[in-house]
Amino acid sequence: GQSLEQPSEVTAVEGAIVQINCTYQTSGFYGLSWYQQHDGGAPTFLSYNALDGLEETGRFSSFLSRSDSYGYLLLQELQMKDSASYFCAVGRKGGADGLTFGKGTHLIIQP
Amino acid sequence: DAGVIQSPRHEVTEMGQEVTLRCKPISGHDYLFWYRQTMMRGLELLIYFNNNVPIDDSGMPEDRFSAKMPNASFSTLKIQPSEPRDSAVYFCASSPRRGSDTQYFGPGTRLTVL
Repeated sequence: GQSLEQPSEVTAVEGAIVQINCTYQTSGFYGLSWYQQHDGGAPTFLSYNALDGLEETGRFSSFLSRSDSYGYLLLQELQMKDSASYFCAVGRKGGADGLTFGKGTHLIIQP
Repeated sequence: DAGVIQSPRHEVTEMGQEVTLRCKPISGHDYLFWYRQTMMRGLELLIYFNNNVPIDDSGMPEDRFSAKMPNASFSTLKIQPSEPRDSAVYFCASSPRRGSDTQYFGPGTRLTVL
């Protein structure tokens, strides 16, 4: 089976940096994905790490350590519009064979 | 591209009624997924198709749930009979190929069963 653990809620200040952690247990690992979901909206893809290290996409970065079964999403220069839920996910059999999601981290940004 | 299209966006029905949710994936995507989201259980994969063929339906909760994909541009998820515990947001997502790291989600159908 597969399971992912992430904090349920994180609070940060506008303009600051926040890190959302994710640990996973999976039989067969192919990569760690991150999705963003605003209230009432659909999940949207943010990033994917198949190899160890840091992937940067604008203000968002994602890190993976396969030996530690651990990853994180780093959001810089926080804006109010970043207030959303963030989900880490792993593939069931790799890539497009369906995803198992964590319960999500609700990011609250204060002015 | 219009993205993944789902209908209806909201559905309110009474217990025991049949519910049919519809999805049109992004053109050219070979994989289609149905997910369910609730506060208690989060986002769960129900079933997925590859080239219109159901591959894994182990996430379908009960025999009351069924899904079909008669062609590459249309899929349905049916619940018969519906129960209050089926109340959730149902998302359809599509992906272009195996190994793709990106799934594209539709806007979802919010189902309320009274």
